[in-house]
Amino acid sequence: QSVLTQPPSVSAAPGQDVTISCSGASSNIGNNYVSWYQQLPGTAPKLLIYDNEKRPSEIPDRFSGSKSGTSATLDITGLQAGDEADYFCGSWLGGRRVFGTGTKVTVL
Amino acid sequence: QVQLVESGGGVVQPGRSLTLSCAASGFTFGHYAMHWVRQAPGKGLEWVAVIAYDGSNIYYADSAKGRFTISRANPRNTLYLQMNSLRTEDSAVYYCAREEYGEYYFDYWGQGTLVTVSS
Repeated sequence: QSVLTQPPSVSAAPGQDVTISCSGASSNIGNNYVSWYQQLPGTAPKLLIYDNEKRPSEIPDRFSGSKSGTSATLDITGLQAGDEADYFCGSWLGGRRVFGTGTKVTVL
Repeated sequence: QVQLVESGGGVVQPGRSLTLSCAASGFTFGHYAMHWVRQAPGKGLEWVAVIAYDGSNIYYADSAKGRFTISRANPRNTLYLQMNSLRTEDSAVYYCAREEYGEYYFDYWGQGTLVTVSS
């Protein structure tokens, strides 16, 4: 039921950088803000990025977001073991909210 | 600090009903839109429903429309989700989440409550 498409998984060694894509349409990402959420194993999701590129104060600047057209991207630089989690993008469509399919980040 | 605590989950037979609650504290509940989001075991996030800060606007996902009812009691700082005609595919962890007025992201989430629909 997800209308936003993400790669199922990405992996990298500690210290390397990863990029997660989120592909949508003009009706959602194309005309609305994108947010990103991190879900560590066994926990609730946590806000990582909002309004395409803004970070809550407690989120380190290793995490950054961007948007272009109907796609968005989450970049994680200097990957750490604690970054191993599921990552979801989100946007909205009319009064409803939509999520991406989710990407599992594995730290090798 | 902001806290959202869900309750009311459990095991229920198909076709039966269940009501979830979300108790909010640490912020002015009546100033925020509130959402329910669910996650089936091993699956991704699925948005379920939203209610405006004053209850004036409500939207549902197609999967919830006609069976689920979202409501809120601002004096009691509580959000509800009444679920009727439950199906096995409704089995999931249900999270409540907060959204600031005029914004379109969830800045705080509860820990979730598990609903299992099984005979």
